[in-house]
Amino acid sequence: EPEVTQTPSHQVTQMGQEVILRCVPISNHLYFYWYRQILGQKVEFLVSFYNNEISEKSEIFDDQFSVERPDGSNFTLKIRSTKLEDSAMYFCASSSTGSYGYTFGSGTRLTVV
Amino acid sequence: AQSVTQPDIHITVSEGASLELRCNYSYGATPYLFWYVQSPGQGLQLLLKYFSGDTLVQGIKGFEAEFKRSQSSFNLRKPSVHWSDAAEYFCAVDSDTGFQKLVFGTGTRLLVSP
Repeated sequence: EPEVTQTPSHQVTQMGQEVILRCVPISNHLYFYWYRQILGQKVEFLVSFYNNEISEKSEIFDDQFSVERPDGSNFTLKIRSTKLEDSAMYFCASSSTGSYGYTFGSGTRLTVV
Repeated sequence: AQSVTQPDIHITVSEGASLELRCNYSYGATPYLFWYVQSPGQGLQLLLKYFSGDTLVQGIKGFEAEFKRSQSSFNLRKPSVHWSDAAEYFCAVDSDTGFQKLVFGTGTRLLVSP
């Protein structure tokens, strides 16, 4: 079964550093998403991406965050200057039909120290 | 705005016993509803989804859920729980902004006792 692949699985970074979280969505999918889950809390929507542009973003997704699809296969989330409160599990997802058929990746655990 | 409430933070069930996890939603129109499972350190796996039609939907791993519009509920059930079902379960509803964004509940952690 096709998978969404996220790398790295764990990342530790110092506060103020830039991080890039990488995702390889399923190849024929058109919708791409990032969600995050702070430890012990619910999964929260960050951003959706379609047709090479952001289609929706949450209040969490401020100017420190950006997304990019640099080539035909990768989908990245960049945090420019990490804060302690950015520590969370970040999930990438892709879909061919919007919310009808998401596939989530296994996540990247980001720890900001 | 859409919201999802999962009133039970933790539930402990004996292996072989039946299970029901509660989910209530707030949504202006007919919702699209989902249940996801997350095993420790793993991603989110879709158990089942409801879009329309039969209000009792079957999913993977022997799970089912029933949509009750009058109660704004979408409870997840399983007749006989296995130890491998121990995980966190999330109910979710799609947003009304183009069927793209999911809104999740806070999750219910299922513990299975021998």
